[in-house]
Amino acid sequence: QSVLTQPPSVSGAPGQRVTISCTGSSSNIGAGYDVHWYQQLPGTAPKLLIYGNSNRPSGVPDRFSGSKSGTSVSLAITGLQAEDEADYYCQSYDSSLSGYVFGPGTEVTVL
Amino acid sequence: EVQLVESGGGLVQPGGSLRLSCAASGFTFSTYWMSWVRQAPGKGLEWVANIKQDGSEKYYVDSVKGRFTISRDNANNSLYLQMTSLRAEDTAVYYCARDRITAYGGSDYWGQGTLVTVSS
Repeated sequence: QSVLTQPPSVSGAPGQRVTISCTGSSSNIGAGYDVHWYQQLPGTAPKLLIYGNSNRPSGVPDRFSGSKSGTSVSLAITGLQAEDEADYYCQSYDSSLSGYVFGPGTEVTVL
Repeated sequence: EVQLVESGGGLVQPGGSLRLSCAASGFTFSTYWMSWVRQAPGKGLEWVANIKQDGSEKYYVDSVKGRFTISRDNANNSLYLQMTSLRAEDTAVYYCARDRITAYGGSDYWGQGTLVTVSS
């Protein structure tokens, strides 16, 4: 059972907007630790998509955005494209575990 | 260009040992925390361990404490993971990752991974 919770899957038609939530607790997100999002395409290594809750690394399309409210954060993908089909993971630091924790991952399907 | 290349994976029997290596290039290795993250077949990501720039601080997920040891050689730009008393549940692809400069800032570069299979 993951410390962070995410929906197992989300789906949308091309061009639509989808959001993925990531909920934590007072020892991680609620304690103020940043959340980071990773995209993992099938058969490849994870790629940093969003860092520090809402920042995009160079090269990441602005279709991807992150936000935070309390102990929950969200990743939004606007203008959904077929190439966005992947697994998405949130990550934060947990002070009670003294280490990083990942959410269970969300599979995004483009209909 | 930042590159991280893992090696050392393979098939090992339960109770056995294995040492993973990660060769880093394209950045000043000695100035970054480094992490190992694993992914069991068909499962999600699990952070395993990380190590401070000079090796003076190391942290582990509870499930590997006392069995795995993370280390680094800054002179040779290399990261290691010594794994002992291996169990079937340690079967996974192990990724080497560079942590961002910002504390608790996530990992910005990842290797391609090396597969460890623990089975008799």
